[in-house]
Amino acid sequence: TQLLEQSPQFLSIQEGENLTVYCNSSSVFSSLQWYRQEPGEGPVLLVTVVTGGEVKKLKRLTFQFGDARKDSSLHITAAQPGDTGLYLCGWGGGTSYGKLTFGQGTILTVHP
Amino acid sequence: DAGITQSPRHKVTETGTPVTLRCHQTENHRYMYWYRQDPGHGLRLIHYSYGVKDTDKGEVSDGYSVSRSKTEDFLLTLESATSSQTSVYFCAIRATGEAFFGQGTRLTVV
Repeated sequence: TQLLEQSPQFLSIQEGENLTVYCNSSSVFSSLQWYRQEPGEGPVLLVTVVTGGEVKKLKRLTFQFGDARKDSSLHITAAQPGDTGLYLCGWGGGTSYGKLTFGQGTILTVHP
Repeated sequence: DAGITQSPRHKVTETGTPVTLRCHQTENHRYMYWYRQDPGHGLRLIHYSYGVKDTDKGEVSDGYSVSRSKTEDFLLTLESATSSQTSVYFCAIRATGEAFFGQGTRLTVV
């Protein structure tokens, strides 16, 4: 059972367009993380959202945590080729629970 | 930077040979993980460790074993490599719910 469902799986857009990636679950999370992975590298943490309804911004990237803490979204404004990569949402569990859980990821390609 | 180093970064090996991949961390984190990443499958957990000599299986553990004799090192061994184990392997640590990854090891089994 996939605990975190990401959509879409693939996104191919032109430079300057806006896009949104979704991360959904039927479970309630204490927090959610977003990661970006560039080709040939490991995933890198972008942000953690903790509070229901929280919005965090990282330059042109806007992250939102759903009010019920079951879902999250990543919105990119005016995408650039440098945004190309794999975007993953993830959950690191509670303070004592060991496992990490990740969505299947969204492969974003931004064409010049 | 969580101070995670994977070695080797690239390896080509023959079918049937044992292979050991190493993950080294410098920040004394309790939890360490090994994942494989393949097109269409995302990150799949192989094994993880929650302390020295404390390990548990993930979803794709068959054909793999791990050892953690020191906090800083987590070893992944392919007991007898097969072509289906050709993949990119990532080590990760967990720090207050957030994951930090190594740069990966690209393993090719021929």
